[in-house]
Amino acid sequence: SQQGEEDPQALSIQEGENATMNCSYKTSINNLQWYRQNSGRGLVHLILIRSNEREKHSGRLRVTLDTSKKSSSLLITASRAADTASYFCATALLFGGTSYGKLTFGQGTILTVHP
Amino acid sequence: SQTIHQWPATLVQPVGSPLSLECTVEGTSNPNLYWYRQAAGRGLQLLFYSVGIGQISSEVPQNLSASRPQDRQFILSSKKLLLSDSGFYLCAWSQGRNSPLHFGNGTRLTVT
Repeated sequence: SQQGEEDPQALSIQEGENATMNCSYKTSINNLQWYRQNSGRGLVHLILIRSNEREKHSGRLRVTLDTSKKSSSLLITASRAADTASYFCATALLFGGTSYGKLTFGQGTILTVHP
Repeated sequence: SQTIHQWPATLVQPVGSPLSLECTVEGTSNPNLYWYRQAAGRGLQLLFYSVGIGQISSEVPQNLSASRPQDRQFILSSKKLLLSDSGFYLCAWSQGRNSPLHFGNGTRLTVT
């Protein structure tokens, strides 16, 4: 089963509004990452937050991590039509071993920003 | 700077035919390499990953295999394709443990 689950599955907003996507996971993690995917393309890494961090910013992106609730959120402020894409969270397990460096992805949130 | 190349971009193959998808990385050495499959534009399923030449770990038993003949080359193969092998295949690399993944542009495979 998937480690990360995003919520909502789809989000439709107007340009200028904020978009919030949530991710829940099941097991202890080393870090959690957010990726963006434009239709028919590869994924692009947005931000990485480590398990000992609670919040991280990058431009219009704000990511929070609550390890006690095993959840994370991605906030995109002042959204633009160009932000339209699918957004995925991915978790890196706490310990390596046979899971060395691999990420487990959620099902994604499809964000549509209307101009 | 590092780049990843994945080809072909699209592929239509009949059931029972062989498959070979290639991925190469430039600008880095000893990367971790990954093959993911994405169905219907949603979640990614890890198929194979490699931490070095000749070292392949399979995540899901299936009709596919992977090889890493050179440090920065990763190949996904099948001897006989099934209809269920259709999907969007993504190659990715990372440098070191718990580092971000860098994806290629993917191959859209349709098995008919």
